[in-house]
Amino acid sequence: GENVEQHPSTLSVQEGDSAVIKCTYSDSASNYFPWYKQELGKRPQLIIDIRSNVGEKKDQRIAVTLNKTAKHFSLHITETQPEDSAVYFCAASSGEDNYGQNFVFGPGTRLSVLP
Amino acid sequence: DSGVTQTPKHLITATGQRVTLRCSPRSGDLSVYWYQQSLDQGLQFLIQYYNGEERAKGNILERFSAQQFPDLHSELNLSSLELGDSALYFCASSVVAGGPGGYNEQFFGPGTRLTVL
Repeated sequence: GENVEQHPSTLSVQEGDSAVIKCTYSDSASNYFPWYKQELGKRPQLIIDIRSNVGEKKDQRIAVTLNKTAKHFSLHITETQPEDSAVYFCAASSGEDNYGQNFVFGPGTRLSVLP
Repeated sequence: DSGVTQTPKHLITATGQRVTLRCSPRSGDLSVYWYQQSLDQGLQFLIQYYNGEERAKGNILERFSAQQFPDLHSELNLSSLELGDSALYFCASSVVAGGPGGYNEQFFGPGTRLTVL
């Protein structure tokens, strides 16, 4: 089955610096890759996602890149702010379009943005 | 507030018992997903229902089962509970069944914290 690895497990950056979190997946059938942010004691929230037919997607300070050949995808956060501090999860999903999705999550990265 | 509700918020029970967790999706959402989050296993996808039909299955134990009712609320049943089942159980909902071509955002509920003693 699918296996998703995520690195690093913890990341500390200074406010204003960039943060990069990397994930690798094993199943070439995976076709959808969401990233979730989970603040302490709260529910996960989708922050960005990318589909397998796209190499890069950007939304303000957040970007995701996907390399299907190497089976890895990365989250980039620029100009980090203290409110970016949270646990970030990547996931790989496979499934038929408009039918259903099976998700496998990475173990998470705890990001701390130091003021 | 995501619009997804889950009850109960907390549940404490003993090993061997059976519990039912309930989820009401956002108005208009047809898909419901169940997840388990524990310290040692991380976030795990359990199962997805779309308009009453099971559509995807993750690492859901045979002791666990779920269903989605005609009013679209869903229940997750956990039986023969073990200490290792203690976790936060989230449900999430989305408009569509999902897949790479569509709009896939899932909205998570606040979770049910299950403690098995």
